[in-house]
Amino acid sequence: ETGVTQTPRHLVMGMTNKKSLKCEQHLGHNAMYWYKQSAKKPLELMFVYNFKEQTENNSVPSRFSPECPNSSHLFLHLHTLQPEDSALYLCASSQDRGQPQHFGDGTRLSIL
Amino acid sequence: GQQLNQSPQSMFIQEGEDVSMNCTSSSIFNTWLWYKQEPGEGPVLLIALYKAGELTSNGRLTAQFGITRKDSFLNISASIPSDVGIYFCAGHPSNDYKLSFGAGTTVTVRA
Repeated sequence: ETGVTQTPRHLVMGMTNKKSLKCEQHLGHNAMYWYKQSAKKPLELMFVYNFKEQTENNSVPSRFSPECPNSSHLFLHLHTLQPEDSALYLCASSQDRGQPQHFGDGTRLSIL
Repeated sequence: GQQLNQSPQSMFIQEGEDVSMNCTSSSIFNTWLWYKQEPGEGPVLLIALYKAGELTSNGRLTAQFGITRKDSFLNISASIPSDVGIYFCAGHPSNDYKLSFGAGTTVTVRA
């Protein structure tokens, strides 16, 4: 039990589908993050939310759309994805920005 | 974020051996973190370091925050089969709240 729960754990979708990834943290943290993890590459930060406000969009294509309705929940809405978007998508949270981050187990996304 | 240079990329060790890996950056960091990731799971925080020169242990793991604030190392003593996984260094540069990550060190333990 990591304190950060991600669903689904695995997702296979076609390029024209629309799906959403969900993240929930039970740690009382104020900041939440989306990362993309591809093989043999360092983690790539996608989005940062602090107290529900988006504070960072790391030049992510608009086919990825984040949503943070409250400090405990974070969503990543996906539409019209490309094969190169296949990766492990990790959610993380921290007490505040600049504090150690705690990760969920990720969603393994495969685009057909 | 800034890229960290983590080495080695991979290592194959015998059970019982000690393991050492390190991470360097070209600029000063305020914190150094070490994570371990096992297949099918997310990274798990092992050790967090906050001060230059700090040496911290977590069981058989020991990590140090370099005096120059530009490097850190992680040692694993008397390795066991469950030590297999990918170990990542990460840190907060002095001028940024965002975490920078190394590319990881893959550890394989032979019984």
